[in-house]
Amino acid sequence: GAVVSQHPSWVICKSGTSVKIECRSLDFQATTMFWYRQFPKQSLMLMATSNEGSKATYEQGVEKDKFLINHASLTLSTLTVTSAHPEDSSFYICSARGGEQTQYFGPGTRLLVL
Amino acid sequence: AQSVTQPDIHITVSEGASLELRCNYSYGATPYLFWYVQSPGQGLQLLLKYFSGDTLVQGIKGFEAEFKRSQSSFNLRKPSVHWSDAAEYFCAVAWLGAGGGNKLTFGTGTQLKVEL
Repeated sequence: GAVVSQHPSWVICKSGTSVKIECRSLDFQATTMFWYRQFPKQSLMLMATSNEGSKATYEQGVEKDKFLINHASLTLSTLTVTSAHPEDSSFYICSARGGEQTQYFGPGTRLLVL
Repeated sequence: AQSVTQPDIHITVSEGASLELRCNYSYGATPYLFWYVQSPGQGLQLLLKYFSGDTLVQGIKGFEAEFKRSQSSFNLRKPSVHWSDAAEYFCAVAWLGAGGGNKLTFGTGTQLKVEL
């Protein structure tokens, strides 16, 4: 139980294009999902908290207009990186909060912007 | 600010040896404590968690952790390490109540290498 999927697992795009990443909780409903970014050999950095049916809450320093988050259902949250640039290249990981405040993580999406 | 410290960036152990990974957190409201493991290029897998009750918790893959409130610690242990345990291990804490917001605060991680 408590499986979270992400799609795509990796994506390569040209600078200036937008990329959408999906995060799905497969066997449970999640009113809250989280989006993280992880640089090589570093810990996870929380970008935003995604709440079903309401606006996401962004961490300090994260541009909400660049990283658009939509949590349209209890099993799906999407992160859209708008007008991506090479510095946006990273490993993006989502999580979904299940019971007892426990976050279950997706497998991650590796984004490379050329 | 609330923080989580994993003092050991890298640890190398021989296969079959015992393992202890350290985790300390700053004092605050009631902590919810977690250990996650990450293999290269993968997401995080939950090993175990502590909320209340017995301070020694058992997890998957033969791991256990002990919560010591007096030391603000939640160290992860395994009696006999297998080569497949080589990975990055993250301690994480969620503080409920004022200022916690139910968000996870992660330690910097400990990279475990297993020598055959």
